[in-house]
Amino acid sequence: DVKVTQSSRYLVKRTGEKVFLECVQDMDHENMFWYRQDPGLGLRLIYFSYDVKMKEKGDIPEGYSVSREKKERFSLILESASTNQTSMYLCASSLFVGSGTQYFGPGTRLLVL
Amino acid sequence: AQKVTQAQTEISVVEKEDVTLDCVYETRDTTYYLFWYKQPPSGELVFLIRRNSFDEQNEISGRYSWNFQKSTSSFNFTITASQVVDSAVYFCALSEARDSGYALNFGKGTSLLVTP
Repeated sequence: DVKVTQSSRYLVKRTGEKVFLECVQDMDHENMFWYRQDPGLGLRLIYFSYDVKMKEKGDIPEGYSVSREKKERFSLILESASTNQTSMYLCASSLFVGSGTQYFGPGTRLLVL
Repeated sequence: AQKVTQAQTEISVVEKEDVTLDCVYETRDTTYYLFWYKQPPSGELVFLIRRNSFDEQNEISGRYSWNFQKSTSSFNFTITASQVVDSAVYFCALSEARDSGYALNFGKGTSLLVTP
């Protein structure tokens, strides 16, 4: 079974803090993704990566950056957290581009005060 | 731009009723992939099914069935004899080509509540 883990289920941070969300997958998948989920807006793609050290902007990259130094790990970074970044963050990975099924982690609920 | 529409925001049914969740998509691609995911209250998205654009056969898996119709750009999901454990948010998604790769374009989800 594919296993995608995220470093925290719940996180509380203060405005202006630098926040790291970590995602690890154990199935040697090439592709990894970060989404945020907000009520009424569904899932929106922040960034994705199809190879180590590669990254591509999704639909809402502003205020975020990512890092992929190793194939199994994809980190989402909030350089200076703001209250409008309070959300549920979901990480996913897939083996194939395009046709590949994405498998999701349990999510991190981030509250920025 | 490609788009996925789930017109039903919330559905409430009584246990053992059948329920159909609608999904309509828009794409100019001839090759594409459609997905359904389930998100129970715990929050994790669980993969249910993947369909490619060349395979219009309906799929049945236990109490779940999917009806893919290219002519109407729909990929509907039916739960037969619903159970309380089916209560969740269900998302339909379309694999979308971006400039440098692919990503899923999700609908906004349908929240299903099954009451005893």
